[in-house]
Amino acid sequence: IAGITQAPTSQILAAGRRMTLRCTQDMRHNAMYWYRQDLGLGLRLIHYSNTAGTTGKGEVPDGYSVSRANTDDFPLTLASAVPSQTSVYFCASSEERGGRDTQYFGPGTRLTVL
Amino acid sequence: GQNIDQPTEMTATEGAIVQINCTYQTSGFNGLFWYQQHAGEAPTFLSYNVLDGLEEKGRFSSFLSRSKGYSYLLLKELQMKDSASYLCAILDSNYQLIWGAGTKLIIKP
Repeated sequence: IAGITQAPTSQILAAGRRMTLRCTQDMRHNAMYWYRQDLGLGLRLIHYSNTAGTTGKGEVPDGYSVSRANTDDFPLTLASAVPSQTSVYFCASSEERGGRDTQYFGPGTRLTVL
Repeated sequence: GQNIDQPTEMTATEGAIVQINCTYQTSGFNGLFWYQQHAGEAPTFLSYNVLDGLEEKGRFSSFLSRSKGYSYLLLKELQMKDSASYLCAILDSNYQLIWGAGTKLIIKP
């Protein structure tokens, strides 16, 4: 593994189903993030984690949950998917949260909720 | 409120120079980032400015004026591979990145 990986690459999901998007990084970064990207809008932060064991809410957290059991993994769960959660989801990491630390992005998961 | 404005789309010719502007109004300012995003791919870091002035990095330069809430990304000697979206992002007072919607740059031969 080099950098950040996300799985699945894409998924079509029925409304009401539960779904977990996986994110793994091998850079030993402390901070990790989940964004969604929709046409015509900027990336919007869903949840973040400053370090293993801690998480925080971003701009659009409703309907999503995260956990950070260790440094490498930061899964995002949709407890009961709705069509408005159709989007491209990007996981990112940085050495620390804040400051000039560059965020490195995974390849994204394209999710369609029908 | 927080607001970042970028043109939606720009077109330029291969070999030419293009300037992509970004204006912002945010709660606090701790730096401005530019990222490049090719279609269907992840954003990748281009530049970071926290002080006023021009930062040059090869064919790409980024300028910041904090008093005017303004930045631009200057791309020289355009190549076809520069066709991408360019995202402006502000690190606000809570050290959260606020992203613009991006500027889609189309390069024509």
